[in-house]
Amino acid sequence: GENVEQHPSTLSVQEGDSAVIKCTYSDSASNYFPWYKQELGKGPQLIIDIRSNVGEKKDQRIAVTLNKTAKHFSLHITETQPEDSAVYFCAASYFGNEKLTFGTGTRLTIIP
Amino acid sequence: DTGVSQDPRHKITKRGQNVTFRCDPISEHNRLYWYRQTLGQGPEFLTYFQNEAQLEKSRLLSDRFSAERPKGSFSTLEIQRTEQGDSAMYLCASSGAGGGNEQFFGPGTRLTVL
Repeated sequence: GENVEQHPSTLSVQEGDSAVIKCTYSDSASNYFPWYKQELGKGPQLIIDIRSNVGEKKDQRIAVTLNKTAKHFSLHITETQPEDSAVYFCAASYFGNEKLTFGTGTRLTIIP
Repeated sequence: DTGVSQDPRHKITKRGQNVTFRCDPISEHNRLYWYRQTLGQGPEFLTYFQNEAQLEKSRLLSDRFSAERPKGSFSTLEIQRTEQGDSAMYLCASSGAGGGNEQFFGPGTRLTVL
């Protein structure tokens, strides 16, 4: 089955700087890669996703890149703000196999 | 659209007791998923429904676990004879039929087994 690895497990950045979180996946059939943000005591919130037919997607301060050949994808957050502090999870799946396989999460702390 | 809701939000039970959780998906979504999340880990897939049909179950879902979605709307997850190892956050998610696979999660039910 699919295996998703996520790095780093913790990340601290100064407010205004950029943060990058990286994930690798094992199943070359995977073609859908969402990112979720989870705040304490809440369920994961979908913040951005990418499908394998594109290499990059951007939404305001958040961007995701995908390298199918290397089987890795990354989340980029620019101009970080205190409210970006949370745990971020990457995940992978493919159409026809609906379950998401999640990484182990990255705790992002924005230092004011 | 009120999003995915789950009830209860917290449940404390004694080992050996049965518990049941409820999930109400986003109204137009025909797919519903259950995941389990332990402290410091990502969610792990348990099972999913398309309408009322349960299409896949993880090996994590032992015989003590059963899930239903009788009319293709809300779903229940029952755990019989709870064990301390069942303590976790149980998350429900739903998605539409369009094949985009965007899953939207509820707030979860935190189960503590004493």
